[in-house]
Amino acid sequence: ETGVTQSPTHLIKTRGQQVTLRCSSQSGHNTVSWYQQALGQGPQFIFQYYREEENGRGNFPPRFSGLQFPNYSSELNVNALELDDSALYLCASSNRDRADTQYFGPGTRLTVL
Amino acid sequence: GENVEQHPSTLSVQEGDSAVIKCTYSDSASNYFPWYKQELGKRPQLIIDIRSNVGEKKDQRIAVTLNKTAKHFSLHITETQPEDSAVYFCAADGFGNEKLTFGTGTRLTIIP
Repeated sequence: ETGVTQSPTHLIKTRGQQVTLRCSSQSGHNTVSWYQQALGQGPQFIFQYYREEENGRGNFPPRFSGLQFPNYSSELNVNALELDDSALYLCASSNRDRADTQYFGPGTRLTVL
Repeated sequence: GENVEQHPSTLSVQEGDSAVIKCTYSDSASNYFPWYKQELGKRPQLIIDIRSNVGEKKDQRIAVTLNKTAKHFSLHITETQPEDSAVYFCAADGFGNEKLTFGTGTRLTIIP
């Protein structure tokens, strides 16, 4: 198993609410990427944080936002939740300076009712 | 942006036989191609990756080949075992710096 952890494991919210998901990166890693994986599909890139700055964004609206902290852990925030936001949210950590491989955390399963 | 197509979507193979999964990508600037294995309810796990400066890489029963001219890459699993049953995803870093675009996945079933 990797050293990447995520919390919470599962979360149930209702439409319109806001949610914060957390990711602790592996020791020695300075980059966190977030992905959304809908049921039966491949992960889709949301955005990447490198040394506390957003470093690229996929095709997701601004209500998806994030942060990276000095210890390189990261948060994903989603405002105004919609039913289609129900998915497995995965973070992956790596060291961009070394062009390292990404390692995924176990994910947070978000259900929006 | 990058587009990754993956085939087949399902694959059933007799135990001990080989399995091949193929992916094509659209962005000629992509230069990193990992393969992930995902078991039900688990995280994607990297099983092998290849960078564009090599054409083939092998790790025990698993190999990946890359054809940059044709923009396709393939996963080869030999001597398949029941524990190889899972969903396999290919990916390409079309965004650069390992911001990955994933294929749609292949559900591999090994028949004992």
